Order: sequence, then C-alpha cells, then structure tokens
Amino acid sequence: ELQLVQSGAEVKKPGESLRISCKGSGYSFTSYWIIWVRQMPGKGLEWMGRIDPTDSETIYSPSFQGHVTVSIDKSISTAYLQWSSLKASDTAIYYCARQDSRGGFDPWGQGTLVTVSS
Amino acid sequence: QSVLTQPPSASGTPGQGVTISCSGSTSNIESNTVNWYQQLPGTAPKLLIHSDHQRPSGVPDRFSGSKSGTSASLAISGLQSEDEADYYCAAWDDGLNGLVFGTGTNVTVL
Repeated sequence: ELQLVQSGAEVKKPGESLRISCKGSGYSFTSYWIIWVRQMPGKGLEWMGRIDPTDSETIYSPSFQGHVTVSIDKSISTAYLQWSSLKASDTAIYYCARQDSRGGFDPWGQGTLVTVSS
Repeated sequence: QSVLTQPPSASGTPGQGVTISCSGSTSNIESNTVNWYQQLPGTAPKLLIHSDHQRPSGVPDRFSGSKSGTSASLAISGLQSEDEADYYCAAWDDGLNGLVFGTGTNVTVL
C-alpha cells in the first residue's frame, strides 16, 4: 500500500530541538519529491519546502528558510523535518506528502502535532 | 499571507451545487497548473483535482475544476453531507519560487 507514515505527537519547550519523521512505503521512494506543509491551529495550509530524495536538493519557502531543515535518509525511505530552537509559534500540525508526477501532493502523511509550550 | 484568495465559506443544501473561486496572478495560476485539496475535519488533506481539471482515481465526478487566466474554480454538484470540508487551491508561484496555497474555503451542507 502506498503510504506515508509520520512520527507521533511531540510536546517541547521553547528553545529545544526537534526532529520529526515521515516514512514512505509502497513505492520507489527516490522517484518522487517529498514536501512539508504546516497547519497552525485553526488556520490554513502553508508550503514549507521540498526535498529531492535522489540528491537531497532542497527548496524552502522564504517564510521557513533558516528556521527549519529538511533532510532525507533514502536507505530507510524516510524524510525528516527538524528545528534547532523551537518557538511557541511553531505549534502546529506538520504534514509530509509525496509530490507525484502530475505535480499534485498525494498521498499525505497523517500529520504530526507539535506543541511548544513553557 | 497567501497570494491565492478564496472565499472563506460556501454552503448549499443536499443536491445543490456550489462553486469555489481561487484568485491569483500571472506568476501563479496563469503560468502554472492548479491543484485542489479537500480536508475533512480532523484529517490530512487529500488531492481532489490536479492539472487544473483532472480527477485522480476514486474522486467522484461531482467534483470538477476549471481555470481561466488568473483564476481557477472548483465546482461541486449534487452536494452530499460528506462534502463538508475545507477546500484549498494551490499553484506554483514563479516569482516566489515556491508553492502557494489558497486561503481555504469551508463548505457547509445545510
């Protein structure tokens, strides 16, 4: 079955670091880009960036450049989104998705809720 | 702040049709394909329409997409209760060199 499975919910304090994961299965992981999307509480979708699993080339949204890092371990078909210093404003659900050959995002992971609170 | 503008809400009774607009610019909608996503309450988004008007396998033909110039639209005919969801348009923006989502439209079935 084609799917992306994300790591579980996290509760962190401001200033802490965090890495969440997104594991693909049921398809050739290196053949499709992985994208990350943020959804803040009660808000819309925001594209954060994408990564090419073949060479780890990344493109970030200007809104997220410098604050998050996207990476890949293709040996285990897993993408990562990480923060070195979390802020309360990072509280959100984070989704990964596969960018398919038609340019659409399909499928999506189930989402990872990140809560940052002192 | 999104560069693709959608109405915040739309509604209709069962069986009726609704149309959701997505207004952009020459650097996004006019230059690149538009995709639409459906997000049911408490779930991850799902690809509904790709390449302006194509439906992925499994999406009912009650959903249709169109595009003209700097605007796109999603039409839902024969509304059903399970269509209650948030709908988002999305397109690549050549000026920003990134993907932009619409502001989102919440559809209510009365």
